[in-house]
Amino acid sequence: GQQVMQIPQYQHVQEGEDFTTYCNSSTTLSNIQWYKQRPGGHPVFLIQLVKSGEVKKQKRLTFQFGEAKKNSSLHITATQTTDVGTYFCAALSGGSNYKLTFGKGTLLTVNP
Amino acid sequence: EAGVTQFPSHSVIEKGQTVTLRCDPISGHDNLYWYRRVMGKEIKFLLHFVKESKQDESGMPNNRFLAERTGGTYSTLKVQPAELEDSGVYFCASSQVAVRYYGYTFGSGTRLTVV
Repeated sequence: GQQVMQIPQYQHVQEGEDFTTYCNSSTTLSNIQWYKQRPGGHPVFLIQLVKSGEVKKQKRLTFQFGEAKKNSSLHITATQTTDVGTYFCAALSGGSNYKLTFGKGTLLTVNP
Repeated sequence: EAGVTQFPSHSVIEKGQTVTLRCDPISGHDNLYWYRRVMGKEIKFLLHFVKESKQDESGMPNNRFLAERTGGTYSTLKVQPAELEDSGVYFCASSQVAVRYYGYTFGSGTRLTVV
């Protein structure tokens, strides 16, 4: 089945440093979504990217979708302690309009 | 608007016992999904309901898992008999439209521990 590879698995940064997590697929994706799960919480939808080369920003977060629609990244500028959590990418699976395949997630910890 | 509600939030059971998880989707959401995250691994799809019908249950691990959504409202996921490898966090999500157009709204999850 479709796989979405996400790296790194863990990232520890000092507050104020930048952070990036990457997702890659061997197949072309129709879209990619990003979710954030705070420790002990549940995944919360952040954003969806659909177009080749698309870039979207949410305050300090920048999301990119590759030109070939096979990779995506989430970049956080000047991390804060509130950014702590696991960031997941997810893509539609197997031609379905309803089912998502998630990456394994990147756990971000921030040292104040 | 109330979100997706799941209970119990935690459940600890012995191997061989039965556990039933419940999910109440957002009112009006015909689509209801169950996902599971085993510790340290990815969130994996279990199944998808449209109203009371199972649209896709390709992710159900085996026949020890039974999901129902009577009347197209809340859903239950029963594990019988539970095995150690069933431990994990079970998330329910709902959506009004296909996730192709917008993301899921997840519930808070049920953390299941089988000992």
